[in-house]
Amino acid sequence: GQQVMQIPQYQHVQEGEDFTTYCNSSTTLSNIQWYKQRPGGHPVFLIQLVKSGEVKKQKRLTFQFGEAKKNSSLHITATQTTDVGTYFCAGSSGTYKYIFGTGTRLKVLA
Amino acid sequence: KAGVTQTPRYLIKTRGQQVTLSCSPISGHRSVSWYQQTPGQGLQFLFEYFSETQRNKGNFPGRFSGRQFSNSRSEMNVSTLELGDSALYLCASSPGQGATGYTFGSGTRLTVV
Repeated sequence: GQQVMQIPQYQHVQEGEDFTTYCNSSTTLSNIQWYKQRPGGHPVFLIQLVKSGEVKKQKRLTFQFGEAKKNSSLHITATQTTDVGTYFCAGSSGTYKYIFGTGTRLKVLA
Repeated sequence: KAGVTQTPRYLIKTRGQQVTLSCSPISGHRSVSWYQQTPGQGLQFLFEYFSETQRNKGNFPGRFSGRQFSNSRSEMNVSTLELGDSALYLCASSPGQGATGYTFGSGTRLTVV
């Protein structure tokens, strides 16, 4: 079945450093979503990418969808302590069934 | 605008018992998905309902079942509970048509002893 892997599993950065998490699907996706889950909280939707090669920005966050629609990345510029949490990608093959990636836990050291 | 409401927030059950969890989606949302979250397995897809029909199903045993009512509220049931069923169960809703993000509830923390 469809699998979605994320790397790295954990990342510790100093405040102000950049951070990137990568998402890879075993199958071609129709779209991919990104979520953030704060410690003790629930996933919160960040963005959705649909088009091959698409790049979207939200302030310090940059999201990319690969040309083959099998991979994606989230890049945070100049991390802040408020960026702490686990970032998940979730991919769908077009059936409204979203398979979540394994997640990348980000810790930001002040 | 009210968010996704899950009840109860916490639950402790004994092995062999059954449990029913409830989810009220955002008003107007017709799609409800359920996920199991554990530290070791991450977020695992259980099933998705749209307009009272199960549209997608994950790879969980038949002990896990769900349903959706005409007002889009959804329930999931787990029968013959096992220790490994201890997890955070998350419900998420979306309009259900087109590609949009899901809004998650705060979850039900189930502990099986």
